[in-house]
Amino acid sequence: DGGITQSPKYLFRKEGQNVTLSCEQNLNHDAMYWYRQDPGQGLRLIYYSQIVNDFQKGDIAEGYSVSREKKESFPLTVTSAQKNPTAFYLCATSRDSTWGANVLTFGAGSRLTVL
Amino acid sequence: QQPVQSPQAVILREGEDAVINCSSSKALYSVHWYRQKHGEAPVFLMILLKGGEQKGHDKISASFNEKKQQSSLYLTASQLSYSGTYFCGTESNSGGSNYKLTFGKGTLLTVNP
Repeated sequence: DGGITQSPKYLFRKEGQNVTLSCEQNLNHDAMYWYRQDPGQGLRLIYYSQIVNDFQKGDIAEGYSVSREKKESFPLTVTSAQKNPTAFYLCATSRDSTWGANVLTFGAGSRLTVL
Repeated sequence: QQPVQSPQAVILREGEDAVINCSSSKALYSVHWYRQKHGEAPVFLMILLKGGEQKGHDKISASFNEKKQQSSLYLTASQLSYSGTYFCGTESNSGGSNYKLTFGKGTLLTVNP
């Protein structure tokens, strides 16, 4: 079955530590995205990538980094520079990113808690 | 800038109707609607492109008024399974080649028996 796998599902981190969230897809979709979800805030875009070896900052990229070395993978690193990292992180893909064709498929999410 | 959704929350009895609105301060190319059930990932419902079209499936439909930069989601004869948080996502005519979908804060819909 095609889909998006996010891991880990739950993660606890001490302040000052970097942590990497994994996102793997076998949908053969070109575009991949990372969103952050906080209660009452909706979904906010962190980074997105339209093709391999290229990515752009979203609305809240500060304190995060990504890479896109393979079409299937788009890992997100939450660095110690992110001041409030506790949140639910959602990875999404779309077949392409052209206007009006970017229907998103979401992974199950990763919940990060900073202790 | 996030689109503004209203109402923030709505409670219905099974069989009642509801309307969820989404408005933007920017000119829009498209509007997406997604539903997220508690503890799950958001799921795509429908996309509306500029041109003022109305789409729907089953008893959920939506309209898009490009001139008013608004979209509305209509849920008729609500079922228990409609419960969840509904998000609109907007794609604006901001120019350039980079795509960005911006989501509203969501509307929590609760359908009771």
